[in-house]
Amino acid sequence: AQSVTQLGSHVSVSEGALVLLRCNYSSSVPPYLFWYVQYPNQGLQLLLKYTSAATLVKGINGFEAEFKKSETSFHLTKPSAHMSDAAEYFCAALGFQKLVFGTGTRLLVSP
Amino acid sequence: DTEVTQTPKHLVMGMTNKKSLKCEQHMGHRAMYWYKQKAKKPPELMFVYSYEKLSINESVPSRFSPECPNSSLLNLHLHALQPEDSALYLCASSQARTVGQPQHFGDGTRLSIL
Repeated sequence: AQSVTQLGSHVSVSEGALVLLRCNYSSSVPPYLFWYVQYPNQGLQLLLKYTSAATLVKGINGFEAEFKKSETSFHLTKPSAHMSDAAEYFCAALGFQKLVFGTGTRLLVSP
Repeated sequence: DTEVTQTPKHLVMGMTNKKSLKCEQHMGHRAMYWYKQKAKKPPELMFVYSYEKLSINESVPSRFSPECPNSSLLNLHLHALQPEDSALYLCASSQARTVGQPQHFGDGTRLSIL
């Protein structure tokens, strides 16, 4: 069975600093991986997806993620944080009709 | 703006009430999902419909009853809920037969059980 691990329930950065949110997956086959963002009182919005076409995936709002098979990782990055990036971020892997979510990382951005 | 629309946005009900949550999408997706999300937790899958047929029920109590009347609509009928059922209920949809397609989520219904 697939599992997804997100290291760090909270990550704090200053505005303009690099954002790095970590995600590791456990899968016996190449996975389909996703990052979602959830703002307060909203649903989940798809940031980007990995479907084996390219290891570096660019998403919306300046985010990108790199798939590293040797490290079973799919970390999310953004070069320069904005205040509006403060939200909950979920990494997820797709099994048969099921999304397996990590526990989430809350990104805090300070001025 | 989300392409999956959920109504109502908020719902307060007593434990003896019957209510329904509604979800609608017009993206031509043939797979639709209900999730339950408690505060500070990831969404938990409840039900999956594929081509209007229930394909997954994650051992959800019978006080939750899903219905998929057509390819664009998904309902969740609620009856005799418990206080611990208070949560954000999310609907999602995806293409059914193409492997690896992402799920698109609505903004949810925040349910409070008195």
